[in-house]
Amino acid sequence: GESVGLHLPTLSVQEGDNSIINCAYSNSASDYFIWYKQESGKGPQFIIDIRSNMDKRQGQRVTVLLNKTVKHLSLQIAATQPGDSAVYFCAERSGYSTLTFGKGTMLLVSP
Amino acid sequence: GAVVSQHPSWVICKSGTSVKIECRSLDFQATTMFWYRQFPKQSLMLMATSNEGSKATYEQGVEKDKFLINHASLTLSTLTVTSAHPEDSSFYICSARGLSYEQYFGPGTRLTVT
Repeated sequence: GESVGLHLPTLSVQEGDNSIINCAYSNSASDYFIWYKQESGKGPQFIIDIRSNMDKRQGQRVTVLLNKTVKHLSLQIAATQPGDSAVYFCAERSGYSTLTFGKGTMLLVSP
Repeated sequence: GAVVSQHPSWVICKSGTSVKIECRSLDFQATTMFWYRQFPKQSLMLMATSNEGSKATYEQGVEKDKFLINHASLTLSTLTVTSAHPEDSSFYICSARGLSYEQYFGPGTRLTVT
């Protein structure tokens, strides 16, 4: 299930389940979106990106969906594994401006 | 992908001292570098943006005299935390961007001020 901690919402899933992590963005001018994975004590790691002229993009075990109408972005992870446990951030950018990060979601995968 | 390194990966310093963190782009030229700060269970907060050879642009609320940023070459930027206090303890992450406008992140530096 999903719960909201002091700062970071947490999504707990069982190994093998599909995970969906959501992100709402605020800038309607944003035209580029990225999902990052951050493991404890490490820097953000690029997972997948999508431009605003697309509404879906697939990678290996991951899919990003973009709904510009409601300014919503989601990351779907298929067959979630314990190694997927981390904090996931969405980030948005308008043109060549700097990236703005979302609050993040902690994904906990139990074996 | 492109590699960004940071040194040191962790540092402990006494209150009142200064500490320097280095950020290097190893296989590309970084025209722009970014410095972020991250507190536990929180997101990355942009502190400043620096372009090679220019003064850094600081985000609102970030003291430029306390967090000195130097971007002297296309592969190196440094962040110096001056007169460090325990509240400066945090995870500092740099990011580098080249001509492709792709942004690559370093592994972060854990600063603990005692």
